[in-house]
Amino acid sequence: DVKVTQSSRYLVKRTGEKVFLECVQDMDHENMFWYRQDPGLGLRLIYFSYDVKMKEKGDIPEGYSVSREKKERFSLILESASTNQTSMYLCASSSRLGTGQATNEKLFFGSGTQLSVL
Amino acid sequence: AQSVAQPEDQVNVAEGNPLTVKCTYSVSGNPYLFWYVQYPNRGLQFLLKYITGDNLVKGSYGFEAEFNKSQTSFHLKKPSALVSDSALYFCAVRDRNSGGYQKVTFGTGTKLQVIP
Repeated sequence: DVKVTQSSRYLVKRTGEKVFLECVQDMDHENMFWYRQDPGLGLRLIYFSYDVKMKEKGDIPEGYSVSREKKERFSLILESASTNQTSMYLCASSSRLGTGQATNEKLFFGSGTQLSVL
Repeated sequence: AQSVAQPEDQVNVAEGNPLTVKCTYSVSGNPYLFWYVQYPNRGLQFLLKYITGDNLVKGSYGFEAEFNKSQTSFHLKKPSALVSDSALYFCAVRDRNSGGYQKVTFGTGTKLQVIP
């Protein structure tokens, strides 16, 4: 069964701490994504990566950075955590796009990390 | 820019009745459209997608959705709701002309409550 694994289900950190959220996929997918989910706001894209060592900003990259040193692993970094970064963080992956009906638009999500910044 | 609107925060339906969860979208070009479901304490799961072709798309668990270009809508439907369908449903869109990277925009989600 295909899997996207996020290292922690719940995480509590202090304001100003450096926080690492880890995500690993076992499907040999090229694309990986980090979203945050907030009530009433849905999912918002933070960063994504379409290849090792490549990254692209999403809609809300401020306060975050990412690292992709290996194909299967995509890390989200909060350089100095703040209370407004308290949220559910979801990692997702997908294979490289095909074309037409063969296009592979399906995202596979991890179970999420609920981060609380106090 | 691309966007998705889910006008209902919550939909309540009796078990056995048909259900509809509404979604409208906005893209500059032609859309790829998706529905995902999130069960409590779980990540999102893919339900179905519209890429091209038949406007009526069938997906997992008996769900289907109809693409309506003139109304820019992609409503999710099921003929007979089950209690186990209770979950949070997300509509999503990607502009076909946005290039090869899957920058998908999600709606705010609709909580479906099926009442026994």
